[in-house]
Amino acid sequence: QVQLQESGPGLVKPSETLSLTCTVSGTSISSHYWNWIRQSPGKGLEWIGSVFYTGSTKYNPSLKSRVTISADTSINQFSLRLSSLTAADTAVYYCARDYRYGYDESMSYFDYWGQGSLVTVSS
Amino acid sequence: QSVLTQPPSASGTPGQRVTISCSGSSSNIGTYTVNWYQQLPGTAPKLLIYTNNQRPSGVPDRFSGSKSGTSASLAISGLQSEDEADYYCAAWDDSLNGHWVFGGGTKLTVL
Repeated sequence: QVQLQESGPGLVKPSETLSLTCTVSGTSISSHYWNWIRQSPGKGLEWIGSVFYTGSTKYNPSLKSRVTISADTSINQFSLRLSSLTAADTAVYYCARDYRYGYDESMSYFDYWGQGSLVTVSS
Repeated sequence: QSVLTQPPSASGTPGQRVTISCSGSSSNIGTYTVNWYQQLPGTAPKLLIYTNNQRPSGVPDRFSGSKSGTSASLAISGLQSEDEADYYCAAWDDSLNGHWVFGGGTKLTVL
């Protein structure tokens, strides 16, 4: 059974960098693409970006300058770093698997999600 | 402001049929398939419909999806109290080197 679990600090100060990790079990991250998605309090979903085990990444243009996503196949984890935090980055951060049935990223869907990790940006 | 437009709320009584719309543009829904996610209160989103109208195993056939042009719809027939949740549409958008976009979500209330 595929399971994803986010981990990281619940509180981060403004201007600092957020680091979150997603631990994957039940499947190897050396297949499929892996994503970070966030949800601000009372708001909708926002895709942050994705990573393939080779290190290939794709980011949301609105966050690209502040985001780094990486994968570590040796420990079956992938990670998110988001810099220059402001209160607007307060959100529940989800990691999710991207199942691709076709030849490019448009032909896919998020089939497994973590439970989410609440991150509050405050001094 | 979400790239895909959904009504913020919808409602129905048990047994009714409810539809939720999702409007986009030629750079997303007009070109690519649509996925729908259900988010029950306090939980992570769950895949409900993929590739416009396909149901993952375990999703009741009361849920159906369709797409026409730059819009998509989710229909729920035989509404049940456990269907009360937030529903999100999603599609790939090929602007700015490509990225996933979501609708703002529709909160479904079962009266």
